[in-house]
Amino acid sequence: KNQVEQSPQSLIILEGKNCTLQCNYTVSPFSNLRWYKQDTGRGPVSLTIMTFSENTKSNGRYTATLDADTKQSSLHITASQLSDSASYICVVSYVSGGYNKLIFGAGTRLAVHP
Amino acid sequence: NAGVTQTPKFRILKIGQSMTLQCTQDMNHNYMYWYRQDPGMGLKLIYYSVGAGITDKGEVPNGYNVSRSTTEDFPLRLELAAPSQTSVYFCASSYPPREGRENYGYTFGSGTRLTVV
Repeated sequence: KNQVEQSPQSLIILEGKNCTLQCNYTVSPFSNLRWYKQDTGRGPVSLTIMTFSENTKSNGRYTATLDADTKQSSLHITASQLSDSASYICVVSYVSGGYNKLIFGAGTRLAVHP
Repeated sequence: NAGVTQTPKFRILKIGQSMTLQCTQDMNHNYMYWYRQDPGMGLKLIYYSVGAGITDKGEVPNGYNVSRSTTEDFPLRLELAAPSQTSVYFCASSYPPREGRENYGYTFGSGTRLTVV
């Protein structure tokens, strides 16, 4: 069964600290993996997209890694800011019936405190 | 550039009532999608459309209907609202995925929070 599991479910860190969010997936055939940021009351916004051949991709203070062999990804946030408080969603894409389909993780809810 | 616009933002329905959630995009995207997001769960695909006049079921289509008469609009219809349909609904759009162009982006609307009582 195609699944995306994220950990931890929630996380509290102090402003300025770093943190790493985890994503494990069992999706096949793998097409790409995306990390989204979802602010409260808003729709998800794309942070990074990685294909099978990419190990790492950065977007400012966000760095995503992908290990396609172990089917794991992580999102590292450097020097956190209060505005980083949000849910972070891991999404894995696969091809079915000629169309790209997305499997969403439940998200990690991050709270950055001053 | 407005992106994906959803209306209304909030709605309370009584059991058995019907309503239409509106979604429009101005990016000339062929593909449009409706998802629902329940607490503690990942987004689930309700319906999707690959172009005007073409729609197909996603993972959780029961209790919903869609239409796609234009490229811009993709309304979601609830005919007989049930408490199980209490959720946050997101509309999204994208360019068609093609081999070698898998890194296309999805643009999401801000969501409609629906409560059925």
